[in-house]
Amino acid sequence: AAGVIQSPRHLIKEKRETATLKCYPIPRHDTVYWYQQGPGQDPQFLISFYEKMQSDKGSIPDRFSAQQFSDYHSELNMSSLELGDSALYFCASSLVGLLREGSSGANVLTFGAGSRLTVL
Amino acid sequence: RKEVEQDPGPFNVPEGATVAFNCTYSNSASQSFFWYRQDCRKEPKLLMSVYSSGNEDGRFTAQLNRASQYISLLIRDSKLSDSATYLCVVNRDDKIIFGKGTRLHILP
Repeated sequence: AAGVIQSPRHLIKEKRETATLKCYPIPRHDTVYWYQQGPGQDPQFLISFYEKMQSDKGSIPDRFSAQQFSDYHSELNMSSLELGDSALYFCASSLVGLLREGSSGANVLTFGAGSRLTVL
Repeated sequence: RKEVEQDPGPFNVPEGATVAFNCTYSNSASQSFFWYRQDCRKEPKLLMSVYSSGNEDGRFTAQLNRASQYISLLIRDSKLSDSATYLCVVNRDDKIIFGKGTRLHILP
C-alpha cells in the first residue's frame, strides 16, 4: 500500500540558508499535517491543510511557510535557518472522516518517514 | 498544563511482565483517541485506536474513561521488541494533539 512519501530524507544546511521539504500524502487523503520533532521531544504541530487550504496553524515560525498544491503534495519552506531548526520534520496525512470515527483497521493518521534537517 | 499528559517514564520492565500506562486529557470535547508507537529516529506508527468499550489487539488492551478523561494502554507478556516510546494522541475538532510520550524499556 502507498504510504506518505517525504523528501529529502536528510538535509544539511548552513545558518541563514533556505530549505524546502516535500510531502506526498497517501492518495485520496484530504488532510496533510507538518510536525517538527527535536531530540527527545514529542512531535510539535506546525501547520495543516485540508483540501489544499490551510486548516490550522501551530507553532510554525514566521520564517517558515507551507502550501499544498493541486496534486495534494505539500511543501514546507524554511528560510533564514537557525541552529535550533535542526530536527526531524514529519509529514502526516489523513482522511478527516476516519479521524473523527477513530475507525478500527484504518490508519487514521499516517506519518512519512521524516526529513532530518541539520543546520550547521 | 498540557492538554494531553503522560508520564514520560522511562518504565524499565522485565521481559514477560505486564505494564500499563495512562494518559489524561483536559478537554472534554475530545472526540477520538489513539495510541501511537515511536521507535528512536523513526516516524510514529498507529498502535491502536481507543474506544469507550475498550479494545484488545493481541497482547495490547486499550481503555477509554470519558468520565475521568483518561485512556490507558496495557501490554501483557512484554517482549524486548516492545521497547519504544508510546504516544497518546487525541483528536479534538480535527486538531491532533500529542502527549509527550512514555518511554518503555523491556529488560532481558
